[in-house]
Amino acid sequence: GAVVSQHPSWVICKSGTSVKIECRSLDFQATTMFWYRQFPKQSLMLMATSNEGSKATYEQGVEKDKFLINHASLTLSTLTVTSAHPEDSSFYICSARPQDTQYFGPGTRLTVL
Amino acid sequence: DQQVKQNSPSLSVQEGRISILNCDYTNSMFDYFLWYKKYPAEGPTFLISISSIKDKNEDGRFTVFLNKSAKHLSLHIVPSQPGDSAVYFCAARDGVNDYKLSFGAGTTVTVRA
Repeated sequence: GAVVSQHPSWVICKSGTSVKIECRSLDFQATTMFWYRQFPKQSLMLMATSNEGSKATYEQGVEKDKFLINHASLTLSTLTVTSAHPEDSSFYICSARPQDTQYFGPGTRLTVL
Repeated sequence: DQQVKQNSPSLSVQEGRISILNCDYTNSMFDYFLWYKKYPAEGPTFLISISSIKDKNEDGRFTVFLNKSAKHLSLHIVPSQPGDSAVYFCAARDGVNDYKLSFGAGTTVTVRA
């Protein structure tokens, strides 16, 4: 299957700071990537669709000014959590699809103190 | 509004026996269905998928059945192995709306030795 990587795998930050998470498709080009978050013992919730060269599309209830998404190239999308607060602590996962199947990155555990 | 439902939060099965995981959906625009396996603090791993034009797809120990009229699909794992113990997510793709995936809540499978 296709390979998607994420960096960092975990991050701890202070409240009020910003954190950037990178998502890369390693062996294919992805015009579209997806960002999810998962709370403990819950399902994956789609946050936004990242489109190369254009603005991201956010799901209802997701603050676009708080979760900044940039899809600067066909292999890289970044999610920046701005002015992070403890309630933003979660597991963030990205995915990309070379064709029909979406492949997921390993996830990033964000803890905001 | 939960469009994909996995009504069994957990399943315990004896090693060597069959595991059957069920999934129901409500959106008739879903055109592609996937099963993912997930370990804690990791991204989902793709297992098997099925197009809405088919009713069965088999890959090794994994078989997915789709009953489109009932809006129901199931994943059969046979024989079950201890390494299969994980959380399994059913996902459905919206063929119209950006190919977004909607996930079920997951079923935790425990394979007993």
